[in-house]
Amino acid sequence: AQSVSQHNHHVILSEAASLELGCNYSYGGTVNLFWYVQYPGQHLQLLLKYFSGDPLVKGIKGFEAEFIKSKFSFNLRKPSVQWSDTAEYFCAGEMDSSYKLIFGSGTRLLVRP
Amino acid sequence: EAGVAQSPRYKIIEKRQSVAFWCNPISGHATLYWYQQILGQGPKLLIQFQNNGVVDDSQLPKDRFSAERLKGVDSTLKIQPAKLEDSAVYLCASSTPEGEAFFGQGTRLTVV
Repeated sequence: AQSVSQHNHHVILSEAASLELGCNYSYGGTVNLFWYVQYPGQHLQLLLKYFSGDPLVKGIKGFEAEFIKSKFSFNLRKPSVQWSDTAEYFCAGEMDSSYKLIFGSGTRLLVRP
Repeated sequence: EAGVAQSPRYKIIEKRQSVAFWCNPISGHATLYWYQQILGQGPKLLIQFQNNGVVDDSQLPKDRFSAERLKGVDSTLKIQPAKLEDSAVYLCASSTPEGEAFFGQGTRLTVV
């Protein structure tokens, strides 16, 4: 079955620490991959997306993600987090051009000042 | 560009009552989704429309949930009768032809 999994449910970091959030998908065909962020009290917003081409994707606010097809992974990274990055992060995949987004369970990130 | 509009923002009802949510997608977006997000979980797709036709409603509990998208624009999601486990945030989203989805603020439903 098609699925997206996120390994870390809660992450706590200090400001300036580096961030890596794991995401794996289960599907052998064509996938489009996304990372969404939900700041406290706000709606889901797109951080970055991968459709094809360069597997290293850069998004807003200094975030990037790398698509590794052999590992079925699309991990999110940021070299130096800020307090304002405190939010919940969701990985999502669209399998086989279905336009149907499947979400992971989310990772709550708390950045301590 | 205006975003996806949803109303109401919050709703509290008693179990066995009915409730309806409304969504106005971004102009020109043919694909519209309703997601259910239970606390601590990722959004789960309930139904997907392409214009006014249903593409996927495999996870919609059809004995109590219904949705429609008349004229291929606005959409309503209804629950009748509500159960305690329906307490969640109901998210509406619409997407570009490339599949990039934009989400509304959601409706937080509490069933007591």
